[in-house]
Amino acid sequence: NAGVTQTPKFQVLKTGQSMTLQCAQDMNHEYMSWYRQDPGMGLRLIHYSVGAGITDQGEVPNGYNVSRSTTEDFPLRLLSAAPSQTSVYFCASSYSQGRTFFGQGTRLTVV
Amino acid sequence: EDQVTQSPEALRLQEGESSSLNCSYTVSGLRGLFWYRQDPGKGPEFLFTLYSAGEEKEKERLKATLTKKESFLHITAPKPEDSATYLCAVQARGGADGLTFGKGTHLIIQP
Repeated sequence: NAGVTQTPKFQVLKTGQSMTLQCAQDMNHEYMSWYRQDPGMGLRLIHYSVGAGITDQGEVPNGYNVSRSTTEDFPLRLLSAAPSQTSVYFCASSYSQGRTFFGQGTRLTVV
Repeated sequence: EDQVTQSPEALRLQEGESSSLNCSYTVSGLRGLFWYRQDPGKGPEFLFTLYSAGEEKEKERLKATLTKKESFLHITAPKPEDSATYLCAVQARGGADGLTFGKGTHLIIQP
């Protein structure tokens, strides 16, 4: 009963490096999304997907790419990391109007 | 633009001292209002979904209520293990399927 699994849990990047945050869910949910959480701010939506092959931008999409080739996986790519992308990233999945399940988060530091 | 405001930002209670957390929202047609609990270093954990004004839901010492402008999370006779950050989020009709979050209320229950 894994739910939403994110890897890695922690990551340190140098400015300009690229990387992919992995997210997988085993609940056959159509909807998946990525949020970032910063001190003093609520979780903010980066990108979301309503099904395999369909993605769209959320509130703060700049500097991030996503793709959804399967129902289970929704990776988030940082193209060229910047210190402003230091944050905790959460992947989530849900049915269309149901409860949203969150992963345990990836704590990213860009130096 | 959808907005969620939670108050207070922080609340310290004695064990057994009941209180309420507030979530005020503006949204272009409410699909659902969600309450989550978040422990340090963890992802948000689902508590309740409310869909229409007048609806109430209960779970152990927690009770969530909803009006057309705000939601309350009532905590009755809290215990130290209820200490956490409580997040409120809304989902709008017809828009992105993501959630708009408030900044949360950091609740501390002292023994």
